[in-house]
Amino acid sequence: SAVISQKPSRDICQRGTSLTIQCQVDSQVTMMFWYRQQPGQSLTLIATANQGSEATYESGFVIDKFPISRPNLTFSTLTVSNMSPEDSSIYLCSVATGTSVSYNEQFFGPGTRLTVL
Amino acid sequence: AQSVTQPDIHITVSEGASLELRCNYSYGATPYLFWYVQSPGQGLQLLLKYFSGDTLVQGIKGFEAEFKRSQSSFNLRKPSVHWSDAAEYFCAVAANTDKLIFGTGTRLQVFP
Repeated sequence: SAVISQKPSRDICQRGTSLTIQCQVDSQVTMMFWYRQQPGQSLTLIATANQGSEATYESGFVIDKFPISRPNLTFSTLTVSNMSPEDSSIYLCSVATGTSVSYNEQFFGPGTRLTVL
Repeated sequence: AQSVTQPDIHITVSEGASLELRCNYSYGATPYLFWYVQSPGQGLQLLLKYFSGDTLVQGIKGFEAEFKRSQSSFNLRKPSVHWSDAAEYFCAVAANTDKLIFGTGTRLQVFP
């Protein structure tokens, strides 16, 4: 298993500013993911962040808006840039303990609740 | 493209009653299927998963799910619901693209 912590747990930000969300895992993992959960909605994958390679972004998400760092096997950051009220969501970090999503459980962090005014 | 449908947005049951949450998927091959639960203010916790073999899988907290290929379904069941089961439930499928695709979720409300 893996225990994941996220910082901050919540924040209220002004439009036009940026927020960096941190994700810390208690063990080394290869696969790390960032999701967005808009109010009352399901989870949407933003990007996959594997250590040693550039993050892979899903359709509709771009690096300029959501830059991601993955400096080592236990840590990642997601930045929400130039925020607008439409960015108000819960952002979740998750990890897969193996090398395949299909075969391995994903563990989720508690999420970061972002409100943009 | 792979997709997951959870037809019930909101379900209300009485404590002690049985529960079934529906999940239908669209995928060409045999999918890898998951049920997650999200309690208020919490992250997601895996309840159970199906990869292959026995189509009835047991999970944590007394939950079980049955994979029915003919119906493209993976419904979640519990024989007797507890008040602490009130939460949001997500069905998910993992395709060979190494991504989890989530359904829209079902919010469960439990009345005493």
